[in-house]
Amino acid sequence: SQQGEEDPQALSIQEGENATMNCSYKTSINNLQWYRQNSGRGLVHLILIRSNEREKHSGRLRVTLDTSKKSSSLLITASRAADTASYFCAVLRTGSARQLTFGSGTQLTVLP
Amino acid sequence: GAGVSQTPSNKVTEKGKYVELRCDPISGHTALYWYRQSLGQGPEFLIYFQGTGAADDSGLPNDRFFAVRPEGSVSTLKIQRTERGDSAVYLCASSSYGGARETQYFGPGTRLLVL
Repeated sequence: SQQGEEDPQALSIQEGENATMNCSYKTSINNLQWYRQNSGRGLVHLILIRSNEREKHSGRLRVTLDTSKKSSSLLITASRAADTASYFCAVLRTGSARQLTFGSGTQLTVLP
Repeated sequence: GAGVSQTPSNKVTEKGKYVELRCDPISGHTALYWYRQSLGQGPEFLIYFQGTGAADDSGLPNDRFFAVRPEGSVSTLKIQRTERGDSAVYLCASSSYGGARETQYFGPGTRLLVL
């Protein structure tokens, strides 16, 4: 069953603006990951943040994690039209399970 | 190096038919995962292999679904007596390292349409 819930479901911004997407989850986690998907096909891994980390950066991406609130945010700065895609958070739960549990995604549209 | 590849890209079949979907993981990756993604949803876990054995098949929806990885590399997802509700994108992923740093690398998916 889906665990992560992204907010908003859809986001439309102008090129150059920042985009912020949020993710909430329900259980204890080892890590939280963000993926990008174009046109309903393969997912591209963007960034991973471990449960003992609070913030990570990668290029124009900034991810925060608040384990007390069971939430994460993904910030894309200076957005480009090419950033238009669906963005998913996925959690790796604690315990023996190795599979990722995904949210339902945020559809980001960056208007040129 | 090459990423995860999946064949076919698209598969159209009729209700009741049998289909096989193939996944070639990244060379050397010991872990292989199958997920299913319905329209407008995130991927949902089906089955996970560590080497040749299915370490966790708790996500398979019913006994019409079966997957193998006989030599610890290529995997085949098999669906018997397909139903219209099986229509989805089937995604395969592989990884080489477990624990809190594990990253799963996804293939482009197979889009299955059951008429």
